[in-house]
Amino acid sequence: DAGVTQSPTHLIKTRGQQVTLRCSPKSGHDTVSWYQQALGQGPQFIFQYYEEEERQRGNFPDRFSGHQFPNYSSELNVNALLLGDSALYLCASSDLAGDADTQYFGPGTRLTVL
Amino acid sequence: AQKVTQAQTEISVVEKEDVTLDCVYETRDTTYYLFWYKQPPSGELVFLIRRNSFDEQNEISGRYSWNFQKSTSSFNFTITASQVVDSAVYFCALSPRGSTLGRLYFGRGTQLTVWP
Repeated sequence: DAGVTQSPTHLIKTRGQQVTLRCSPKSGHDTVSWYQQALGQGPQFIFQYYEEEERQRGNFPDRFSGHQFPNYSSELNVNALLLGDSALYLCASSDLAGDADTQYFGPGTRLTVL
Repeated sequence: AQKVTQAQTEISVVEKEDVTLDCVYETRDTTYYLFWYKQPPSGELVFLIRRNSFDEQNEISGRYSWNFQKSTSSFNFTITASQVVDSAVYFCALSPRGSTLGRLYFGRGTQLTVWP
């Protein structure tokens, strides 16, 4: 049973560039959430996707956008990168119709903005 | 407002000692879930335990146990007979079942180091 997978593992970008991170949910899961974890902090909720639509959103600017595909996989896009966007980006999946409250996390993508 | 506080930034113990990680939460929702996750150096958050707001029964699962007290809004987590492999950052998280259903609110984490 495959868990949550994310790609790439690491990414280095420069200020002003755009980045796309990818996530495949755990088998049987239909909901994907994205979190940003700055160094030494707890994860912060960015947004959540279900049925290819954004269900709810945390306190992040519009530079952060996402997408969910029919196969439930998801992308996180960040435009006009800032130094402060450097963080570990975590994807989590859950089964909205089942055990919706328990989210399972992937290994994360570490983004460094120079 | 939803908030999770983990006052302990770092804890160091010697192998085989018991260790308790503290968590205090704030929410106005009457129904919610509480979680503990473990984050080893690899970075992946590993789900450990979950408790819902209607069940204050404390349980033991292997070397893990938890103490949920609604009266003090606390959800403490204990590792018995700690091992070096328990070294990681531990996060307490809150999942309210109101308007923010499905969203996890995390504390800042407690770095646990277990020395051999």
